[in-house]
Amino acid sequence: DIQMTQSPASLSASLGETVTIECRASEDIYNGLAWYQQKPGKSPQLLIYNANSLHTGVPSRFSGSGSGTQYSLKINSLQSEDVASYFCQQYYNYPFTFGSGTKLEIK
Amino acid sequence: EIQLQESGPGLVKPSQSLSLTCSVTGYTITSGYDWSWIRKFPGNKMEWMGYISYSGSTNYNPSLKSRISITRDTSKNQFFLQLNSVTTEDTATYYCAETEGDVMDAWGQGASVTVSS
Repeated sequence: DIQMTQSPASLSASLGETVTIECRASEDIYNGLAWYQQKPGKSPQLLIYNANSLHTGVPSRFSGSGSGTQYSLKINSLQSEDVASYFCQQYYNYPFTFGSGTKLEIK
Repeated sequence: EIQLQESGPGLVKPSQSLSLTCSVTGYTITSGYDWSWIRKFPGNKMEWMGYISYSGSTNYNPSLKSRISITRDTSKNQFFLQLNSVTTEDTATYYCAETEGDVMDAWGQGASVTVSS
């Protein structure tokens, strides 16, 4: 199985700041990576697919980048509604595997 | 808009089978996509369990292959998860999701299942 190492585990930032979350795959996943947001008490929502494609309806302050084994999710101009946990998922190879998650809080 | 809703027992005894239903509205499950089950453990680890495709073929996580079955009832537009011989380590929130291009872009609200005697 492809292991996904996600960092940091938690993050605290101020409104308006830019934050970055990283995922590292144990092997090249050729941009087969998605990012999800899970708000407290809610189900996960797709943000990004193919490493850098914004899902329909997702605000443009979210962006994804990376290649090979290293990927990141950037949130510009942090808003209060961005308080959530964020997960990466690789789908280059079966079984699909997830990162351990990043909990984002507002300072 | 595709909507999914999980249902099933919230408590299962060890060694028994866990059975969950995912009811889909807004789309016919035989028209396209794959239909996945994912679970989130206490402590936040997430695991993709498997899916059933629109054609009825299945793909399972090898870690579960001997215990898992995903089936469907096309007349009710539902698909199902059965996990056999459960232990306390199967305690989790179980989600069903519409999967397009191996990406889960619509999820149910989740069903919390506790395995305990």
